[in-house]
Amino acid sequence: DAKTTQPNSMESNEEEPVHLPCNHSTISGTDYIHWYRQLPSQGPEYVIHGLTSNVNNRMASLAIAEDRKSSTLILHRATLRDAAVYYCILIQGYSTLTFGKGTMLLVSP
Amino acid sequence: GAVVSQHPSWVICKSGTSVKIECRSLDFQATTMFWYRQFPKQSLMLMATSNEGSKATYEQGVEKDKFLINHASLTLSTLTVTSAHPEDSSFYICSARDLREPYNEQFFGPGTRLTVL
Repeated sequence: DAKTTQPNSMESNEEEPVHLPCNHSTISGTDYIHWYRQLPSQGPEYVIHGLTSNVNNRMASLAIAEDRKSSTLILHRATLRDAAVYYCILIQGYSTLTFGKGTMLLVSP
Repeated sequence: GAVVSQHPSWVICKSGTSVKIECRSLDFQATTMFWYRQFPKQSLMLMATSNEGSKATYEQGVEKDKFLINHASLTLSTLTVTSAHPEDSSFYICSARDLREPYNEQFFGPGTRLTVL
């Protein structure tokens, strides 16, 4: 499975935008880029996913580099409830989700 | 989105006893369910993949005789930790795949915190 690299942690202030980077230089053409997040003491939840084009949903935006070797999850206005560990995961077809260490996002009021 | 529940949300048991954790997909049918384990300050580690009506597939290093998985219906999978020991204390999380979804979204349960005394 292609691997992803994320910073261990990032900090943000409330109501500011947050850009969470993910490097996946060995991504294959059929790998989808998925983002999940895990709030403290909860199971992970789906955030967004994409293949080649940038994607937007009510939770976040996903910006994918033209060469697909990196992507950025964008939270447009961070809230205290967005404090979580964010996982960037590459998935082919119906392969199983494999979690790395993710990025712990700290949000200050 | 689809909902996955787990029961119990937390359990404390004595060493040597067995504990059963239930995972249910509440509003969809899940042919495949997954069991993960998460130790403090660590990431989720996949323990096994469970397909309805067939035997579970365990990840390397996970004892199938200790962690019994049953997936008897399209909405229920159970994980039984047999002869639990303190080192089995962990956060156990299940997830399920919805066949109706056109892409590979997995829905996760809220987790079960197991403490073995």
